[in-house]
Amino acid sequence: KNQVEQSPQSLIILEGKNCTLQCNYTVSPFSNLRWYKQDTGRGPVSLTIMTFSENTKSNGRYTATLDADTKQSSLHITASQLSDSASYICVVSAQQAGTALIFGKGTTLSVSS
Amino acid sequence: DGGITQSPKYLFRKEGQNVTLSCEQNLNHDAMYWYRQDPGQGLRLIYYSQIVNDFQKGDIAEGYSVSREKKESFPLTVTSAQKNPTAFYLCASSFGLPYNEQFFGPGTRLTVL
Repeated sequence: KNQVEQSPQSLIILEGKNCTLQCNYTVSPFSNLRWYKQDTGRGPVSLTIMTFSENTKSNGRYTATLDADTKQSSLHITASQLSDSASYICVVSAQQAGTALIFGKGTTLSVSS
Repeated sequence: DGGITQSPKYLFRKEGQNVTLSCEQNLNHDAMYWYRQDPGQGLRLIYYSQIVNDFQKGDIAEGYSVSREKKESFPLTVTSAQKNPTAFYLCASSFGLPYNEQFFGPGTRLTVL
């Protein structure tokens, strides 16, 4: 069964600190993996998209890694800011007909001052 | 929000009433999607449409209906047959196939009283 598991479920950090969010998946055949940021009451916004051949991709203070062998991805946030408080969703695409997207439940990050 | 608009942002309805949520995009995307988001759960696909006048059921289509008469518009009707309609509804669109990047609208929060 295609699944995407994220950890931790929630996280609280101090402003300026770094953090890493995890995503494990059992999706086959794999097409790509995306990280989205979703502010409370808003739609998700894409942070990064990685294909099978990409190991690392950065978007400002956000760096995503992908290990296709172990089927794991991480999202590292550097020098956190209050505006980073949001839910971070890992989404894995399968190369198949139909819907093909499997969503994780998300990690809720709270950055406090 | 990437050229996708949803209206209204908040919607209240009495139990037993049908309600229609609007979704419009000006990105010239072929495909459009409706998702439902509940607390602590990943996004779940309700319906999707890859071309005008054609749409497919997602994972939780029961109690919902859609139409795709124009490329830019993909309205969702929540019918009285939907047992737990209170949720946050997200519309998305993409070029071509579902595993291409999806851009999300700002969402509509529906509360059934």
